[in-house]
Amino acid sequence: QLQLQESGPGLVKPSETLSLGCTVSGGAISGSSFYWGWIRQPPGKALEYIGAIYESGSAYYNPSLKSRVTISVDTSKNQFFLKLNSVTAADTAVYYCARLSASGSGRRWFDPWGQGILVTVSS
Amino acid sequence: QSVLTQPPSVSGAPGQRVTISCTGSSSNIGAGYDVHWYQQLSGTAPKLLICGNSNRPSGVPDRFSGSKSGTSASLAITGLQAEDEADYYCQSYDTSLSAYVFGAGTTVTVL
Repeated sequence: QLQLQESGPGLVKPSETLSLGCTVSGGAISGSSFYWGWIRQPPGKALEYIGAIYESGSAYYNPSLKSRVTISVDTSKNQFFLKLNSVTAADTAVYYCARLSASGSGRRWFDPWGQGILVTVSS
Repeated sequence: QSVLTQPPSVSGAPGQRVTISCTGSSSNIGAGYDVHWYQQLSGTAPKLLICGNSNRPSGVPDRFSGSKSGTSASLAITGLQAEDEADYYCQSYDTSLSAYVFGAGTTVTVL
């Protein structure tokens, strides 16, 4: 059974870089032909797509965050990563990692999801 | 503001049928992109409920059903149960935004 687990600091200072990792177990990223994505949810608010990456390293970002986001992958460790720079209080959210389905572009859904990690931006 | 519009809340008595709408536009649902639905129980991660407009993943009760028409989609819950109290989100792809998009979510309350 595929499982995803987010990790990283729960507190980040304003203007600094938020860095999170997602460890995949029960299946390999390499050779999977799946995209692997990040989604966030500010407290009491809706879900927001951040971006996704293929095993080859090709990444796609939500244009609303593109200037500040980098998603990378390390297939040897079966992990992928999120970096969000110049954070503000508005970036406080639960961050989820998830696998995207193997459907055609624009038709993909997210399943399964990690349990999520709360990241608070505060000095 | 979400590009997919959902009602903030719906409610029903146990055993009743409730529906949640998800209204989009010609750049997302109306462009032919699929709609997917997620259930988020309090304090937990979203769980896939319906994929590809109307398909239930293994393990999802047949009380849940999805449909899509034009620029809108709907999630129906029949035989409402107390355990169905949760937030429900629709998701699709928007070609103008070049991004996957979510609705603002609908809270289902079992009276």
